[in-house]
Amino acid sequence: EVQLVESGGGLVKPGGSLRLSCAASGFTFSSYTMNWVRQAPGKGLEWVSSISTSSTYIYYADSVKGRFTVSRDNAKNSLFLQMNSLSAEDTAVYYCARASVTGQRYFDYWGQGTLVTVSS
Amino acid sequence: EIVLTQSPGTLSLSPGERATLSCRASQSVSSSYLAWYQQKPGQAPRLLIYGASSRATGIPDRFSGNGSGTDFTLTISRLEPEDFAVYYCQQYGSSPTFGQGTKVEIK
Repeated sequence: EVQLVESGGGLVKPGGSLRLSCAASGFTFSSYTMNWVRQAPGKGLEWVSSISTSSTYIYYADSVKGRFTVSRDNAKNSLFLQMNSLSAEDTAVYYCARASVTGQRYFDYWGQGTLVTVSS
Repeated sequence: EIVLTQSPGTLSLSPGERATLSCRASQSVSSSYLAWYQQKPGQAPRLLIYGASSRATGIPDRFSGNGSGTDFTLTISRLEPEDFAVYYCQQYGSSPTFGQGTKVEIK
């Protein structure tokens, strides 16, 4: 069974940093492009970042470019998101999501999400 | 960036009725790279449709998608009680973007 379990969310002050993790199991992690998608409270979905299987190709939404860094550890079946210079606009549930086996960026499995709250 | 506009914002229907949800793109979506998701309160989104019309694994055949270019539709042929939720479209032909969602509520 495919499982994606996020962790690392919490309350952080504006300007602060946080590192999210996603532990994957039930599939060959190293064969899939992985993604972060976020959802602000009561709002819609926003794609944040993608990282290809060998970390060769990395993409970010303009809203986080230069502040967030995505990485992965295929040996540990783990995905990470380092978030710096956080602002209230970054408050959201952050989901780890698996892209399709072909690499096309629709998301066939999602984690349960981890809440990041940016507030003083 | 491709902007997706979903309509209506809310659809009030009764179980057994047909639901038709629209997703319009600001520019053509290449190769029909359009997906639909269902999200219930407190849950992660669930993939329903990809490639505009292909059902994801385990999705009942009452869900169908069609369209191309800039206009796409998700149809639920007969609403079951568990289908009342928010639905999002997403394009993945370029940098992924989502529509703002359509809420299907019980009338």
